Amino acid sequence: QKEVEQDPGPLSVPEGAIVSLNCTYSNSAFQYFMWYRQYSRKGPELLMYTYSSGNKEDGRFTAQVDKSSKYISLFIRDSQPSDSATYLCAMTHDMYSGGGADGLTFGKGTHLIIQP
Amino acid sequence: ETGVTQTPRHLVMGMTNKKSLKCEQHLGHNAMYWYKQSAKKPLELMFVYNFKEQTENNSVPSRFSPECPNSSHLFLHLHTLQPEDSALYLCASSSSSGLITDTQYFGPGTRLTVL
Repeated sequence: QKEVEQDPGPLSVPEGAIVSLNCTYSNSAFQYFMWYRQYSRKGPELLMYTYSSGNKEDGRFTAQVDKSSKYISLFIRDSQPSDSATYLCAMTHDMYSGGGADGLTFGKGTHLIIQP
Repeated sequence: ETGVTQTPRHLVMGMTNKKSLKCEQHLGHNAMYWYKQSAKKPLELMFVYNFKEQTENNSVPSRFSPECPNSSHLFLHLHTLQPEDSALYLCASSSSSGLITDTQYFGPGTRLTVL
């Protein structure tokens, strides 16, 4: 079983819709959860970072973690065509693992298309 | 120029060639990373350098050889690669390889094709 599962999509929604992107994971030791956005021909950029269970909101973006279900979500409200990108989830169990022994475990990414 | 830059952006090479990928960061960071991003596979960490010292090698084959001459530059030397090594190679930097909250800033990547 893969450590992090993420539906590659593509997920196509109309402009203004609420988007829900999800990842499931198997390692119960994961405590730190991140969402990256990657535009075509660009490197990933960190969108949001959360610790343990709960919600975190930043503008139109909300990250949600349910550790009991080993399930994380990223919600995008009032989606815009500029939100069209690949969204990668990533996670680690160690706050010192930014680049260390275990580093980050990434999902494959979900390709999101917002139709004007 | 700002951020993290990578050259070349695209590279096609034969299995017997030797080539190098270059990464440069203008952010004053101390940690630099090489990642491999293959189609339909998760992003894979390859190497980590912290203050020019290699702190991580994630079981990467020896045909990939990193070099970090200073905190601003990172190279990936390629030799006798295989077609399955074709991928997007991403460089990233962060203020250190310590806390998870040290955001990694990625370059645009080098799209490598091995024939």
